[in-house]
Amino acid sequence: QVQLVESGGGLVKPGGSLRLSCAASGFTFSDYYMSWIRQAPGKGLEWVSYISSSGSTIYYADSVKGRFTISRDNAKNSLYLQMNSLRAEDTAVYYCARGQYTGEFDYWGQGTLVTVSS
Amino acid sequence: SYVLTQPPSVSVAPGKTARITCGGNNIGSKSVHWYQQKPGQAPVLVIYYDSDRPSGIPERFSGSNSGNTATLTISRVEAGDEADYYCQVWDSSSDHPEVFGTGTKVTVL
Repeated sequence: QVQLVESGGGLVKPGGSLRLSCAASGFTFSDYYMSWIRQAPGKGLEWVSYISSSGSTIYYADSVKGRFTISRDNAKNSLYLQMNSLRAEDTAVYYCARGQYTGEFDYWGQGTLVTVSS
Repeated sequence: SYVLTQPPSVSVAPGKTARITCGGNNIGSKSVHWYQQKPGQAPVLVIYYDSDRPSGIPERFSGSNSGNTATLTISRVEAGDEADYYCQVWDSSSDHPEVFGTGTKVTVL
């Protein structure tokens, strides 16, 4: 069965860095585009970043552009999000999600909490 | 970038029909997807490609999309349907392709 398992969240000070990972299993990872989506406490869903199946196409939300870097290792069935210059407003649960060619996210991980606070 | 607007809340009695709207400029020309999210859980896809249901989603969930409004309809509402619902589109013309709606809290009275 399809599984997405995020890790790497935690408490970090403003200006700090964190690297999130998403381990995929149960499907051919290299066939699918992936995205990171976050949800601040009590708020709605916010798309963060997209990476194509090969990794050749990448997009970022304006709120994270220049600070976050998405990447993937298809040999390791893993997705990553390097987060630098973290701000209090980056505090959220971060989900990785598998994308389908029709644009929907059919599988989501359980999420990992990132808290940015001094 | 593209904006999707949902009502903050919808209240419905058990057994009745809930309709959740998602407004966007010419949204009828895009594929709309819907997610259900219960407290403390990850979102779950309930409708994709405007009106298709993933396996395991009850037939009580249906979707439509035309003009500037997409609609998620939940028929014969049950207590377990109480959740937040989000619409989402893929905006292929943008470098911010994934757009989520503002979310709607469905309360079962």
